[in-house]
Amino acid sequence: EPEVTQTPSHQVTQMGQEVILRCVPISNHLYFYWYRQILGQKVEFLVSFYNNEISEKSEIFDDQFSVERPDGSNFTLKIRSTKLEDSAMYFCASSAVNYGYTFGSGTRLTVV
Amino acid sequence: EDKVVQSPLSLVVHEGDTVTLNCSYEVTNFRSLLWYKQEKKAPTFLFMLTSSGIEKKSGRLSSILDKKELFSILNITATQTGDSAVYLCAVEADNYGQNFVFGPGTRLSVLP
Repeated sequence: EPEVTQTPSHQVTQMGQEVILRCVPISNHLYFYWYRQILGQKVEFLVSFYNNEISEKSEIFDDQFSVERPDGSNFTLKIRSTKLEDSAMYFCASSAVNYGYTFGSGTRLTVV
Repeated sequence: EDKVVQSPLSLVVHEGDTVTLNCSYEVTNFRSLLWYKQEKKAPTFLFMLTSSGIEKKSGRLSSILDKKELFSILNITATQTGDSAVYLCAVEADNYGQNFVFGPGTRLSVLP
């Protein structure tokens, strides 16, 4: 069954450092997303991406965040200067039209 | 503000019991409601509901949507310890970008 692949599975970084979280969506999917889940809290929407541009973003997705689809397969989330409160599980997801998401297995980001 | 509420937030049952999980929502431009099961990491897709009154079934799990009363239920019959997980309800709330709003989840613990 097709999968959304995320790397790394766990990343520890120092406060103020830049991190790039990587995702390979399912190949024929058109919509791509990043969600995050702070430990013990609900899943929160960050950003959606369609047709090579951001289609929607939440208040969480401020200037410190950016997304990119640098080639035909990868979809990345960059956090420019990490803060302690950025520590969370970050999920990438992709979907075809009119179907539910397929989530990746997540990247646990720990900012120290 | 779009809102998705799940109840109960936590539930402990014994193997063989039947459980009903609830999800109610207040969103604009409703398109679909999805149920996910989250064990250790990524949520895994269970059901997508778009029409009222049509039950979706998969093995011991079933779900139904009521668009008039703005809620959905997820039933699990003859529960097993492997059903222990957080069950997430997500509602597609915007026609553009297919953004989903997640509920807080119901944590189900099935004891042997």
